Amino acid sequence: QKEVEQNSGPLSVPEGAIASLNCTYSDRGSQSFFWYRQYSGKSPELIMFIYSNGDKEDGRFTAQLNKASQYVSLLIRDSQPSDSATYLCAVPVSGGYNKLIFGAGTRLAVHP
Amino acid sequence: DTEVTQTPKHLVMGMTNKKSLKCEQHMGHRAMYWYKQKAKKPPELMFVYSYEKLSINESVPSRFSPECPNSSLLNLHLHALQPEDSALYLCASSADRSGLVINEQYFGPGTRLTVT
Repeated sequence: QKEVEQNSGPLSVPEGAIASLNCTYSDRGSQSFFWYRQYSGKSPELIMFIYSNGDKEDGRFTAQLNKASQYVSLLIRDSQPSDSATYLCAVPVSGGYNKLIFGAGTRLAVHP
Repeated sequence: DTEVTQTPKHLVMGMTNKKSLKCEQHMGHRAMYWYKQKAKKPPELMFVYSYEKLSINESVPSRFSPECPNSSLLNLHLHALQPEDSALYLCASSADRSGLVINEQYFGPGTRLTVT
């Protein structure tokens, strides 16, 4: 059974702080990794994807991948109240299938 | 443009009704997906189409019937649903996989379905 695990939270951070969200996965063959943001009542929005070990930065977001340890993380710098949402980690099933396994999501609350 | 559109936004249907959900993308993607999402849960894959052919059916009950008329359109036909089928139904699309690397999926806004 392929698994993707996230801490459900809520993760509460003050405005301006760094929010760190973590995700571990069980499928060693996974090649690409995705972070989605989902506001309450809305659909998931892709915010980051990463394929290679190391860091990938896009604005205030940094994705970090460590394939040896099987974890991927998302850092949000200068957190804003508008970042308050559920963040879903998604990992593909290996073997070339077009299938993502989603973690349960981490709820982030940024308070002023 | 990374837009996937879905209609209708909301749908209320009785257990004896037949209805259809529609999804459209113009990104040239050749893989399209249907997901079901219940409150406070992650999206749950239902079907995958690749080059207009059904490639994955996650053991979905036959009261849900997908259709991919062409590379831009995806339908989900609904018949004799149960109240527990009430959920947010999400369509997504992606470029088909590049070898063993799966490409990013873009979601539509979803259809909020209520079965009475």
